[in-house]
Amino acid sequence: DAKTTQPNSMESNEEEPVHLPCNHSTISGTDYIHWYRQLPSQGPEYVIHGLTSNVNNRMASLAIAEDRKSSTLILHRATLRDAAVYYCILQLDSGGGADGLTFGKGTHLIIQP
Amino acid sequence: NAGVTQTPKFQVLKTGQSMTLQCAQDMNHEYMSWYRQDPGMGLRLIHYSVGAGITDQGEVPNGYNVSRSTTEDFPLRLLSAAPSQTSVYFCASSYSMTGSHSPLHFGNGTRLTVT
Repeated sequence: DAKTTQPNSMESNEEEPVHLPCNHSTISGTDYIHWYRQLPSQGPEYVIHGLTSNVNNRMASLAIAEDRKSSTLILHRATLRDAAVYYCILQLDSGGGADGLTFGKGTHLIIQP
Repeated sequence: NAGVTQTPKFQVLKTGQSMTLQCAQDMNHEYMSWYRQDPGMGLRLIHYSVGAGITDQGEVPNGYNVSRSTTEDFPLRLLSAAPSQTSVYFCASSYSMTGSHSPLHFGNGTRLTVT
């Protein structure tokens, strides 16, 4: 299974941009890159996903390297509510429940006021 | 729109007791799954279902049973609770797991303690 590597934790200041990196050097051509986040005492929530092109939505932006071996989740202006664990996950395009989503330990994002 | 609803929120069991964790979704999602999350760990898949009447095992299925008699409900049964099953359990659903454009929707979890 293709796996991802993320830093254990990162710290940023409120109202500044945050760049959360993810390495996935064994990604296959049909793997989509998904990001989820988990706020304290809640279930994970979907943030964004992409395949090759950079993606933007109301929550964040996803920048994908040209060789697809890494990606970066960008929070343009962090708030205290963005303090969470962020998971970078590869999902096979063919789906498959057992291998569909494997959650690692993620990056614990700390936001300083 | 309730999304994914899990009950109960908290539960304490004695070793050997059985119980059922309930999960219901109102989004007409075909795919449902159960994860467990232990302190400092990521989520591990227990069981999943791609539609009513179909279930399959995930990474850590031992000690748990599931059934999917309706599209809406996917209960998780602990047959004989053990302290190793102390964890937070999350139920999730998705429109489909084939193709990549169906994000998972998670419930807020059931925190289970087995003494």
